[in-house]
Amino acid sequence: GNSVTQMEGPVTLSEEAFLTINCTYTATGYPSLFWYVQYPGEGLQLLLKATKADDKGSNKGFEATYRKETTSFHLEKGSVQVSDSAVYFCALASGSARQLTFGSGTQLTVLP
Amino acid sequence: DADVTQTPRNRITKTGKRIMLECSQTKGHDRMYWYRQDPGLGLQLIYYSFDVKDINKGEISDGYSVSRQAQAKFSLSLESAIPNQTALYFCATSEPGQGSTDTQYFGPGTRLTVL
Repeated sequence: GNSVTQMEGPVTLSEEAFLTINCTYTATGYPSLFWYVQYPGEGLQLLLKATKADDKGSNKGFEATYRKETTSFHLEKGSVQVSDSAVYFCALASGSARQLTFGSGTQLTVLP
Repeated sequence: DADVTQTPRNRITKTGKRIMLECSQTKGHDRMYWYRQDPGLGLQLIYYSFDVKDINKGEISDGYSVSRQAQAKFSLSLESAIPNQTALYFCATSEPGQGSTDTQYFGPGTRLTVL
């Protein structure tokens, strides 16, 4: 079956630090990959996605590259802000049902 | 106004009670989903519906049932609530895309506590 493994948190960084959150996956077929973000007290919202190998998704300064050879989709940001504090979820969708399979989430706290 | 709304936002109930959580959407999407979120476990799919007449079990459907009353409404019921159903519940919607590229849009969640 499908599964997503992401870096355990919590992660605490100072403002302007470099961020990496690791995500690896196991899937049948050719999945699409996603990063969702959950701000405190809110539902999840899409941060970025990539639909095929070597695609790079990007949004709000965050980037992730779909690496088929390493089955990875690591999230990066060059300079984090306090407002980036949230829980980040890696997810994949595959097959005709297109159900999302989520990782366990990584709590990020950015200190001023 | 929010595109995906959930009611109630918070609910405390007792073991054995029947509970219904409601989800409404104004996005015009055919596909709707119910997830539960437990600390450290991410989101797990309970049920999903691809249209009014198509309802499917997810990975953790035991103890839950759903009703798709209309394209815009998808309700989740706990027939006899138990304490380990205490969790944060999310509704989501999506529309068919090419291959597996669907983005899901989430409601704000319902926090359910079963005593």
